Amino acid sequence: SYELTQPPSVSVSPGQTANITCSGDKLGNIYTSWYQQESGQSPVLVIYQDDKRPSGIPERFSGSNSGNTATLTISGTQTMDEADYFCQVWARNTGGVVFGGGTKLTVL
Amino acid sequence: EVQLVQSGAVVKKPGDSLKISCKGSGYTFPFSWIGWVRQMPGKGLEWMGFIYPGDSDSRYSPSFEGQVTFSVDKSISTAYLQWSSLKASDTAMYYCARRLVYGDYGWFDLWGQGTLVTVSS
Repeated sequence: SYELTQPPSVSVSPGQTANITCSGDKLGNIYTSWYQQESGQSPVLVIYQDDKRPSGIPERFSGSNSGNTATLTISGTQTMDEADYFCQVWARNTGGVVFGGGTKLTVL
Repeated sequence: EVQLVQSGAVVKKPGDSLKISCKGSGYTFPFSWIGWVRQMPGKGLEWMGFIYPGDSDSRYSPSFEGQVTFSVDKSISTAYLQWSSLKASDTAMYYCARRLVYGDYGWFDLWGQGTLVTVSS
């Protein structure tokens, strides 16, 4: 089965740039999506097809994907961005949706 | 407003059956896949599978095949997730989500508020 690996936690100071990574075999060949889940809330899509932002998502959220790593970048991180972030792909060879284990972003 | 609204939290006993619901509104419900995602307490997201409301075509994650059943009533724009015999390990938050597709790839652009299922004797 296909696996996605995320760091359990990332810390950043307000106003700085946060990079959250997601690793998988030849991940750059697969479209990756990212979800934000604030405490006690439902997940929200923040990036799809590697680097596209849904309407309503701030421009400070961006994504990239190359090689074996996809990256969610939050520029000028705000305290409101503190949440869990999950990457997700469609693993064609197994015919299934795969989520990464999640990364807790702390802004302090 | 485009939204998915799920049924409320439930408390059940081991061995009970259960059916929870997810009602779509504000979009053409039959034409988008509905996925189900489990989140156990303090844990990450797990894909259970999805169903296409237009024809009830269903795909199950191997981890959940045979453990749950998806169904849909497109006349009332509602998808269902069902258990025939609950276990304590089914205690979790369950989300439904609309899946958009581009070629082979898909993502979940709209999520329900979640249904908390607690199974305890």
